[in-house]
This record gives sequence, structure tokens and C-alpha cells, in this order.
Amino acid sequence: EAGVAQSPRYKIIEKRQSVAFWCNPISGHATLYWYQQILGQGPKLLIQFQNNGVVDDSQLPKDRFSAERLKGVDSTLKIQPAKLEDSAVYLCASRPGVSTDTQYFGPGTRLTVL
Amino acid sequence: GQQLNQSPQSMFIQEGEDVSMNCTSSSIFNTWLWYKQDPGEGPVLLIALYKAGELTSNGRLTAQFGITRKDSFLNISASIPSDVGIYFCAGSQTGNQFYFGTGTSLTVIP
Repeated sequence: EAGVAQSPRYKIIEKRQSVAFWCNPISGHATLYWYQQILGQGPKLLIQFQNNGVVDDSQLPKDRFSAERLKGVDSTLKIQPAKLEDSAVYLCASRPGVSTDTQYFGPGTRLTVL
Repeated sequence: GQQLNQSPQSMFIQEGEDVSMNCTSSSIFNTWLWYKQDPGEGPVLLIALYKAGELTSNGRLTAQFGITRKDSFLNISASIPSDVGIYFCAGSQTGNQFYFGTGTSLTVIP
């Protein structure tokens, strides 16, 4: 079974530029999460999708961050414009549904904002 | 968001030693999870706990759901070099949204 795929693995941009990350969850997984992991900290939930609907985006900085999962499969996370404090690893995770706690994480995208 | 504090922040141990770490929260959780994260990878689930007082093992790993429901503990027995990594606890009140701890970095010296 293929795991959660993310791209790119690394991205370096200058502040005020825009950036987008892509996630392909495990086939058949209805729930998808985006987390932000700042160096030395645990992952922090940004947004949770159930199929193509948003379940929770209370911690997403909506003035600059946006995410979508149009067909209930792949998802993109965008930052526009980026700030220095957005430097972090952005992790995508998926799980089959609400009946299991096992989230399968992708390898993440490491973003550096200069 | 919820604050989960893990201690110790880092550990340096000899191969073969046992390891203990804990996680505390200001809020009550109904689910506690323990993850391991290797460099450049996402976290991998080790153990899940669902009831206060529950003790669950996974090989050399044993985790406990604290009776106050505000803490959890992870023990690793007879550590080996591949145990190196960062261990995170995560708690949930709803089983849907999970809050992660600050992490414990483990170094095993051969």
C-alpha cells in the first residue's frame, strides 16, 4: 500500500512570495489533515478535511493560508504572502475515517522563508 | 490550542538501558497516542490508549493512560540504537482532533 505522498520535499522562498504544497493521501482515506511543525515543536493542526468538506480550520491563519480538497482526494495548502515565521515542516496525514485513530503521515515539506 | 508538555526534553542513554518519559496536559483527554518521528520523516504511531489507567504494550514499548486523564507515560525497555528519534504524545477529547506534545528527543549510545 502506497503511503501519503507530499511534494515538494523542500522549498525556499523569500518573504512575501507565495507557495503551494501538494498532498496525495492513501487511497480510500476519507480524512485528511494538514499540520505545521516548527523546528523543535510538535505538529500543530492547521485544517482537517472529511472527504472534500472542512471539519476544522480554527487554527488556520486564514488571512494568508488557504487549503482545498476539491475532489475529496488530493489536497493543496497555499501560503500567500509568506512570512519569516512560516518557516516549518508542513505535514499531511490521512486516515480511513473517524473509527480509527491511526493517522498516516507523509514525509512533509520543509519550507524556509528568507 | 491545548498545551501538552513532555519531559524530559531530551535523553542520552546507554544501549540496553530502560527509558521513561511522560506527557502532561492542563485538559482531560479521552484518547492518548504516542508517536515516533525519525529525521526527515513524518510521525509514526506506536501506541494508542483509550481508557484511564489502561496499560498497553507494543514489543519493548509500554504506555499508560494516567488515571487523572491529564497525563500519559511511555517506557522503552532494553533500548537499542534504532530507538533514536523524537517521541511525541498526542491527546484528543473527541477522537477527531489531536494535540501534540513538545517532544522528547532520545539518543542511544552504543
